[in-house]
Amino acid sequence: SQKIEQNSEALNIQEGKTATLTCNYTNYSPAYLQWYRQDPGRGPVFLLLIRENEKEKRKERLKVTFDTTLKQSLFHITASQPADSATYLCALRDDKIIFGKGTRLHILP
Amino acid sequence: GAGVSQSPSNKVTEKGKDVELRCDPISGHTALYWYRQSLGQGLEFLIYFQGNSAPDKSGLPSDRFSAERTGGSVSTLTIQRTQQEDSAVYLCASSLGGGRENQPQHFGDGTRLSIL
Repeated sequence: SQKIEQNSEALNIQEGKTATLTCNYTNYSPAYLQWYRQDPGRGPVFLLLIRENEKEKRKERLKVTFDTTLKQSLFHITASQPADSATYLCALRDDKIIFGKGTRLHILP
Repeated sequence: GAGVSQSPSNKVTEKGKDVELRCDPISGHTALYWYRQSLGQGLEFLIYFQGNSAPDKSGLPSDRFSAERTGGSVSTLTIQRTQQEDSAVYLCASSLGGGRENQPQHFGDGTRLSIL
């Protein structure tokens, strides 16, 4: 069956360090993958999109990689700040867009 | 106010009642999506509109759920004879394109539905 998996446990990172979140998928061949941020009580907000023919995409302190052989995307936040604390969702499009359950990130001051 | 707007933001109703949830997408966005998010769960796809038609309604959990979109704009999700398991946050998103296009989705803040 098709699956998209993110770290189910919360991730605690010290302020200033790099946070790395993982998104793994099986039985999909996505054309692209997206990352969203969701704060409590709010809807998800789009952050980055990476296409299947791209290895890496950057935006300010954010970096996303996409390895179609490993079927994995990594999401990095460098020089992390407490304001980066949120749940981060990955989403991929096969015949429809599918979201992971998200990883809660806590940046500790 | 250029974002996706959903109303009501909270709805509490008794089991067995019908509820209607509204979504106002971003002007000009042709694609509109409804999702359901239960506590600790991911986003569960319900239905996708392209214009006023719904090419994919495969995520609707039962025939108690229906949705429509009029004028290529506002959409309404209706749940009839609500059950306690319908309690969740219902999120709406819109995007410039749909189908296999790689357009990001813009989400509203959802309607938190509680069935007593």
